[in-house]
Amino acid sequence: GQQLNQSPQSMFIQEGEDVSMNCTSSSIFNTWLWYKQDPGEGPVLLIALYKAGELTSNGRLTAQFGITRKDSFLNISASIPSDVGIYFCAGHKGGGSEKLVFGKGTKLTVNP
Amino acid sequence: EAQVTQNPRYLITVTGKKLTVTCSQNMNHEYMSWYRQDPGLGLRQIYYSMNVEVTDKGDVPEGYKVSRKEKRNFPLILESPSPNQTSLYFCASSYGTGGAGYTFGSGTRLTVV
Repeated sequence: GQQLNQSPQSMFIQEGEDVSMNCTSSSIFNTWLWYKQDPGEGPVLLIALYKAGELTSNGRLTAQFGITRKDSFLNISASIPSDVGIYFCAGHKGGGSEKLVFGKGTKLTVNP
Repeated sequence: EAQVTQNPRYLITVTGKKLTVTCSQNMNHEYMSWYRQDPGLGLRQIYYSMNVEVTDKGDVPEGYKVSRKEKRNFPLILESPSPNQTSLYFCASSYGTGGAGYTFGSGTRLTVV
């Protein structure tokens, strides 16, 4: 099955730094989603993007739906220790297909 | 509290012994889905359901069965588990299509020996 190319695989940063991660695909998606997973828990939806070029914020998080509809990025500004976790991008094609495809995740570590 | 509830949280079983992982949501969601999570592979969709009695295969359906007899429940059945099905399993539900964003359960860690 198709998977999304998510990078970087892991990041080690200092508290207060900004973070950027991205996701690319060889095919077009109609929706891009970003999730965060804390240890021992299921992923939690952070941001959903529905239109090419859309830029959406949720607190210190900002995500963009790429113009080509084949990519998306997530930025976290002024990171804090509770930002630690695994971040996943996910793409949904729609058009009657209910498959939601996930990237392999970016593991974020924040040093206080 | 709106949630997706999976049971059990942890399960160790032997090869070939049929098992069922239950999933229930209290949000009246139409869409439900099962994923497995493996190190280095991310989340892969096993099966999904768009409504009662409507189910379809995801990317890795082999060795699994599902049923959707009621809107709130979506059990995952392993008729004859094998060690390669050792994984972390998540059930998820959504009010609209999967593009609306799934709400995930807390996971079931399955070990098949």
